[in-house]
Amino acid sequence: AQRVTQPEKLLSVFKGAPVELKCNYSYSGSPELFWYVQYSRQRLQLLLRHISRESIKGFTADLNKGETSFHLKKPFAQEEDSAMYYCALSWTGFQKLVFGTGTRLLVSP
Amino acid sequence: KAGVTQTPRYLIKTRGQQVTLSCSPISGHRSVSWYQQTPGQGLQFLFEYFSETQRNKGNFPGRFSGRQFSNSRSEMNVSTLELGDSALYLCASSLDQSSYNSPLHFGNGTRLTVT
Repeated sequence: AQRVTQPEKLLSVFKGAPVELKCNYSYSGSPELFWYVQYSRQRLQLLLRHISRESIKGFTADLNKGETSFHLKKPFAQEEDSAMYYCALSWTGFQKLVFGTGTRLLVSP
Repeated sequence: KAGVTQTPRYLIKTRGQQVTLSCSPISGHRSVSWYQQTPGQGLQFLFEYFSETQRNKGNFPGRFSGRQFSNSRSEMNVSTLELGDSALYLCASSLDQSSYNSPLHFGNGTRLTVT
């Protein structure tokens, strides 16, 4: 069965520090990986997806099929990055996301 | 463009009752998905509709059902409510049926409380 694991419930860092939110997945086929973010009192929204290979708000994520990981990274955290981050998995041709349990990122001044 | 709209925002129901939640997708989006979010289980997929047809269904009992209308609007129904059905129900829409081509856009959700 498909599964997404986010081992950290809470990640607390200081402003300017590097950030890495971990995500591991379990899927035998070709996955599509996403990071969704939910800021306080806002709706869940897409941050980035692996097929785009882009940087959004300074965040990047690389799909490592060997380690089945899709970690989210940012070199210098900002206070406005504080939010709930969800890693999600889908597969080609389907609109069904399997979500991880989420990691709350708290960036302190 | 207006975002995904879910109504009502809050609902309080009693065990045994039934409830209907509504979702209006972004204009032009033809796929609508529903998710249940709880503190214990996180975000779980309920079902997805595309062009009025249910394409995928999650592991939920038959008390959970849905439908999609010709204008892509969708409703979700839960019958014989149980305390464990208390959750935030999220609707998401996308342009088409492949997450590869079009990612999901979520609504603000309907908070259902069963007493």
